[in-house]
Amino acid sequence: EAQVTQNPRYLITVTGKKLTVTCSQNMNHEYMSWYRQDPGLGLRQIYYSMNVEVTDKGDVPEGYKVSRKEKRNFPLILESPSPNQTSLYFCASSPNVHGRYGYTFGSGTRLTVV
Amino acid sequence: RKEVEQDPGPFNVPEGATVAFNCTYSNSASQSFFWYRQDCRKEPKLLMSVYSSGNEDGRFTAQLNRASQYISLLIRDSKLSDSATYLCVRGNNNDMRFGAGTRLTVKP
Repeated sequence: EAQVTQNPRYLITVTGKKLTVTCSQNMNHEYMSWYRQDPGLGLRQIYYSMNVEVTDKGDVPEGYKVSRKEKRNFPLILESPSPNQTSLYFCASSPNVHGRYGYTFGSGTRLTVV
Repeated sequence: RKEVEQDPGPFNVPEGATVAFNCTYSNSASQSFFWYRQDCRKEPKLLMSVYSSGNEDGRFTAQLNRASQYISLLIRDSKLSDSATYLCVRGNNNDMRFGAGTRLTVKP
């Protein structure tokens, strides 16, 4: 089944404790992206990647890192999480960089930082 | 001003009703437009792309007005299962901008 898989689905952590949210897609998509979703603000892009070893900042990159060492994987790293990073996170992928086909989203990761 | 603006709702309609959502966008260079559906606590799922000539998929009709920079979604014969939040999206290559969503509740 074609899908984007995120893990974990739920995570509660403490301020400052490094964490990684994994994202993997099995569709050979070139483009991958991370979003956070907060009430009233909609989806905001954190980072995106147009291909292996090519990543760039989105609108809200502060406090996050990403890497794209393989085409299928695009982990999101929070080196020192803070409470304002409590949010619902989605990974998404698209067949190519043109975006004409829309995105496929993962199931989401609900992160709480206390 | 937000790049994509939607009425948050909620829209509460009876089963069988016709309901329409509008969405405005601010970037005239936008090339692609979509409607996504998002159920509570779930991921957004692509409902339909929106083409310049307008397009229909079953009970759903999407239209684009480039001159006024808005897109619309019409749902005919609403079903209980249509209850969800509908996200409007505009894109310029892979620079996708999402609206905050319009919440629809269809009641028996």
